[in-house]
Amino acid sequence: DVKVTQSSRYLVKRTGEKVFLECVQDMDHENMFWYRQDPGLGLRLIYFSYDVKMKEKGDIPEGYSVSREKKERFSLILESASTNQTSMYLCASTSGETRQPQHFGDGTRLSIL
Amino acid sequence: AQKVTQAQTEISVVEKEDVTLDCVYETRDTTYYLFWYKQPPSGELVFLIRRNSFDEQNEISGRYSWNFQKSTSSFNFTITASQVVDSAVYFCALRDGQNFVFGPGTRLSVLP
Repeated sequence: DVKVTQSSRYLVKRTGEKVFLECVQDMDHENMFWYRQDPGLGLRLIYFSYDVKMKEKGDIPEGYSVSREKKERFSLILESASTNQTSMYLCASTSGETRQPQHFGDGTRLSIL
Repeated sequence: AQKVTQAQTEISVVEKEDVTLDCVYETRDTTYYLFWYKQPPSGELVFLIRRNSFDEQNEISGRYSWNFQKSTSSFNFTITASQVVDSAVYFCALRDGQNFVFGPGTRLSVLP
């Protein structure tokens, strides 16, 4: 089974802090994604990556950056956390085959105070 | 552009009722895949089923069944004899090539 692991289930940070959310997958997947999920807004794509050191902006990249130095790890960075970034963050991975679904981590519920 | 619509924002049923969750999609590609995911209150999205654009055969898995109709661009999900454990948010998703699009989700509440 595919395993996508997010480093924290719950995280509390302060406004202005630099925040790192880590995601690791164990299936050698090429593609990795970061979403945020807010009530009534569904899943919104922040960034995705098709390969090591490659990244593409999603629908809401402002205030975020990402890093993919190794194939299995995709990090989401909040450069200067703000209260409007309080949300549930979901990491997903999939292979390059079109038939494959995304596999998701358990999510990180981030609160910015 | 791709789009997935789940018109039902929230549905409430009483245990043992049947319930159908609607999904309508848009894509210009002829080859694509459709997926359903379940997100229970614990938060993780769980992959349920995949269907490709060339296979319109309906599928049944226990109490779950899926109806794919290409003519109406729909991929509906039915739960028969619902149970409280079915309470969750359900997402329909479309993949064509490397693009993924998720619907907004339907929150299903199954009351005892």
